[in-house]
Amino acid sequence: GNSVTQMEGPVTLSEEAFLTINCTYTATGYPSLFWYVQYPGEGLQLLLKATKADDKGSNKGFEATYRKETTSFHLEKGSVQVSDSAVYFCALMNTGNQFYFGTGTSLTVIP
Amino acid sequence: NAGVMQNPRHLVRRRGQEARLRCSPMKGHSHVYWYRQLPEEGLKFMVYLQKENIIDESGMPKERFSAEFPKEGPSILRIQQVVRGDSAAYFCASSPAPSGGYNEQFFGPGTRLTVL
Repeated sequence: GNSVTQMEGPVTLSEEAFLTINCTYTATGYPSLFWYVQYPGEGLQLLLKATKADDKGSNKGFEATYRKETTSFHLEKGSVQVSDSAVYFCALMNTGNQFYFGTGTSLTVIP
Repeated sequence: NAGVMQNPRHLVRRRGQEARLRCSPMKGHSHVYWYRQLPEEGLKFMVYLQKENIIDESGMPKERFSAEFPKEGPSILRIQQVVRGDSAAYFCASSPAPSGGYNEQFFGPGTRLTVL
């Protein structure tokens, strides 16, 4: 079946620290992989995506590389800001147009 | 260009009452998806609809839950005889008609249902 496992939170970092949020997946075939971000009181927003192995998704300083050999899609950012405080969800989409989400990782960045 | 709209944003019901959640997709989008986020969990797929047709309801509980997306008006997720375990955030997403490959889904802000 399809499933996503991501690093449990919450994660608290100081401003300008390096961020890694781990995400691994189980899927049949060749899924597309995504990171979504949810700010307080809002819906999910697409942060970045990768549709095939070795693709790197990037946006707003965040990056993630689709690693088929390790079935991973870890999210990284070199220098976090207070405004990055949010909940981050790793997700995959396989055939059928439905998402499979991880449980979310809450990030708090302190000045 | 409004995004996906959901209302109400917050809904409180007593056990046994009915809850109706509405979702208006983005302009030009004909496909709607409903997801449920239980406390401390990720979003779980419930149902996928296009106008007047349910495409995939494999994530819907067998009883008390139903969804529709009529030709005119918003998509409705209906929960009959609510129980405390139905308390969750319900998110709607919309997309254009699939055209092969990945079809981006745009999410609404969610409806937070609390059952007393």
